Amino acid sequence: GENVEQHPSTLSVQEGDSAVIKCTYSDSASNYFPWYKQELGKRPQLIIDIRSNVGEKKDQRIAVTLNKTAKHFSLHITETQPEDSAVYFCAATLPGGYQKVTFGTGTKLQVIP
Amino acid sequence: SAVISQKPSRDICQRGTSLTIQCQVDSQVTMMFWYRQQPGQSLTLIATANQGSEATYESGFVIDKFPISRPNLTFSTLTVSNMSPEDSSIYLCSVDGDRVDEQYFGPGTRLTVT
Repeated sequence: GENVEQHPSTLSVQEGDSAVIKCTYSDSASNYFPWYKQELGKRPQLIIDIRSNVGEKKDQRIAVTLNKTAKHFSLHITETQPEDSAVYFCAATLPGGYQKVTFGTGTKLQVIP
Repeated sequence: SAVISQKPSRDICQRGTSLTIQCQVDSQVTMMFWYRQQPGQSLTLIATANQGSEATYESGFVIDKFPISRPNLTFSTLTVSNMSPEDSSIYLCSVDGDRVDEQYFGPGTRLTVT
């Protein structure tokens, strides 16, 4: 089955700096890659996603890149703010009727004011 | 996106008992999913529940331990049976969104087994 590795497990940045979180997946058939943000005690929230026919997608301060050949995808957050502090999960989804989603292990991001 | 609620939000249960968690959505959805998130860990898919069919369980999860119902397009239940302390986790339901493959999560049920 699919395996998703995520790095780093923790990340501390100064407010205003950029943060990058990287994931790799094992199954080349995966075609949808969402990113979730989970604040302490809250539900995971979908913040951005990318499909396998796209190499990059941006939404304001966040962007995601995908390298299908290398089976890598990354989340980029620019101009970080304290409210960006949370645990971020990447995921890879296999096609088919049951939306089989495999999550990465999570990155705890701390933005230091 | 749909508004998703779960009941109970948290519970403390004794080992050997069972707990049924409810997931309610404010609009009809095709697919509902149940996840487990152990403390400080990632999310693991337990099963996928489509209305009118048996739930599809992931490796390591069995129907006898985690029976699921999906009586209609807005509601599902997950039962955690014969609980042990290892079942202490957050259990989350999710539903498919408007776009293909999107999933949105409910607020979760925090279960502690003593």
